[in-house]
Amino acid sequence: DTGVSQDPRHKITKRGQNVTFRCDPISEHNRLYWYRQTLGQGPEFLTYFQNEAQLEKSRLLSDRFSAERPKGSFSTLEIQRTEQGDSAMYLCASSHISGRALVYNEQFFGPGTRLTVL
Amino acid sequence: AQSVTQLGSHVSVSEGALVLLRCNYSSSVPPYLFWYVQYPNQGLQLLLKYTSAATLVKGINGFEAEFKKSETSFHLTKPSAHMSDAAEYFCAVRDTGTASKLTFGTGTRLQVTL
Repeated sequence: DTGVSQDPRHKITKRGQNVTFRCDPISEHNRLYWYRQTLGQGPEFLTYFQNEAQLEKSRLLSDRFSAERPKGSFSTLEIQRTEQGDSAMYLCASSHISGRALVYNEQFFGPGTRLTVL
Repeated sequence: AQSVTQLGSHVSVSEGALVLLRCNYSSSVPPYLFWYVQYPNQGLQLLLKYTSAATLVKGINGFEAEFKKSETSFHLTKPSAHMSDAAEYFCAVRDTGTASKLTFGTGTRLQVTL
């Protein structure tokens, strides 16, 4: 088990372009979270999946953002028509919810994708 | 809504000195609290978690934290700092909703000097 992986690690794009990030969670983890971290701040929740179902989206997730988790395995986060304000580190985390694990929901984070919008 | 506040965005200690990073929480119910560490250009690694089993929690790399309900605090300590401890540290509280998402503080950057 290699932990949570994210691809790419870095992405530089021009304003107005679309970008897509991928997250591979720890195998058999049924929950997957996306967070965004801007410079000097802590991560902020964007959305999460329980298996393949997207159950909650933050108001930070504008209609230019879309996330999927087909078949309950890897997830993708797409940003359409990127803006300079989208520049941030996008973090993915996974956890397994069952029994006592539900009590504290330990989340394992990936290395993140750093997006720079020029 | 639950929240955490980290006092001090930057802390500098000498190698071998005590590390104390402060975190205060706000919660209407018994909270589940976490400390994460982030090294440059990396994701977050869990240091320790409080789940109400014990008020003094021991984590990895010699860190520990004490939950004090009367002070609504969950400060992170390490008796003797090492150069490799230099990183960003985040306190987080687990949301009470079904999402169980984490709400993070703004972080404290720890600098360790010789």
